[in-house]
Parts: sequence; C-alpha cells; structure tokens
Amino acid sequence: AQSVTQLGSHVSVSEGALVLLRCNYSSSVPPYLFWYVQYPNQGLQLLLKYTSAATLVKGINGFEAEFKKSETSFHLTKPSAHMSDAAEYFCAVSPVFFGNEKLTFGTGTRLTIIP
Amino acid sequence: NAGVTQTPKFQVLKTGQSMTLQCAQDMNHNSMYWYRQDPGMGLRLIYYSASEGTTDKGEVPNGYNVSRLNKREFSLRLESAAPSQTSVYFCASSQDRSSAQYFGPGTRLTVL
Repeated sequence: AQSVTQLGSHVSVSEGALVLLRCNYSSSVPPYLFWYVQYPNQGLQLLLKYTSAATLVKGINGFEAEFKKSETSFHLTKPSAHMSDAAEYFCAVSPVFFGNEKLTFGTGTRLTIIP
Repeated sequence: NAGVTQTPKFQVLKTGQSMTLQCAQDMNHNSMYWYRQDPGMGLRLIYYSASEGTTDKGEVPNGYNVSRLNKREFSLRLESAAPSQTSVYFCASSQDRSSAQYFGPGTRLTVL
C-alpha cells in the first residue's frame, strides 16, 4: 500500500528565509506526487505535481519540489518566505498503475512565518 | 467557471438526523471524490467515482452513501448522523488519476 509521511506538523521560518517542508513516500514504484496548500477556512489548492517528467518541478507562488527516487522524497522548498505563505501544506501520492488505491494525503505541515 | 462548488457551507445536526451534501463541478472532469478532514489526520477518502455511473468505497466509507447523479454532480448522504461524523467535508474532481484534483471550499458539519 502507498503512504506518505510529512516530517514536522509545524514549521516556523522567518520572513525572507528558506522554506523546506519534508515529504517521504512509500510505494513499490515511483508514483505521482503532489503538493497542495490550504489557507484558513478554504479548500486545498494545487501547488505543483510530479508525474515522471522532470525531477525538479516548479509550482505556483515560487515553490518548487525535487523528486529523489533514491531517497523516496519529494520535499517542497521556497528560497525566500513571504508572510502570505503562512498556511497548511499537504503532500499526496497517487499510484501510476491502475488499482484500488487513490490519492493518499499526508497529515499536513502548518507553516508559520515570523515577521 | 466556478470550479467545484459545495452546499451547504455550514450545518449543525442532531444525532440520528440525516442530510445530503451536494457537490458540482463545471470542468467536465470524469472523477469525483469526497473527503473528510479532521485535525492531525489529513484528508481521508470517503467515496469516489471514477466515472459517471460508478462509485467505490474509500478509506472511511462507513455511515455514508453517495450518488453520482450525472457527470457534474456527486452527493454525499449521512443517513443517521453520529458525533464521530463531525468534520469538514471536501468534494474534489479530476480528469484522471494523474491529474491534479480540484477542491471545493468545504462543508463544516457539526453533529451534536
């Protein structure tokens, strides 16, 4: 069965500092991977996705993530944090091949930006 | 283009009452999903519909039923609400499994 683990339920960074949110997946074959962002009292919004093309994926709002098969990781980064980045971030995994499994979400990381 | 819409936004029920959460998408997507979100547990899939006319159980289907009314609409029904079903419910849609899912704004349900 596929699963995804997000290390750190809460992360705080200073405005202008590097943002690094960690995600590791467990899957028998490299899956599709996604990062979503959720602002307070809103639904989830796609930040970026990996579907076996380039390993470095660029998303919206200056975020990017790198797929590393050897480390089974898909960490999300942003060079310089902005106050508007404060939100909850979810990593998700979906199997490539047909099966009974669907999109599986991590438990989320709440990002706080310190002025 | 409204994307994914959900009604109602908020609902309070008493234990044993029933209700239906409505979801509609205008992106001509094939697949639709219902999730619940609880603190510290991320999103858990309740039911999904890979295409019009088909529905399948997700991770936490007990206590829920769904109907894929047509390609646009996917409803979630609670026949006899329980306090354990207090949660925020999200509907989502996607073109296929490799595509991103697009989420509605959510329904905040409280069962007393």
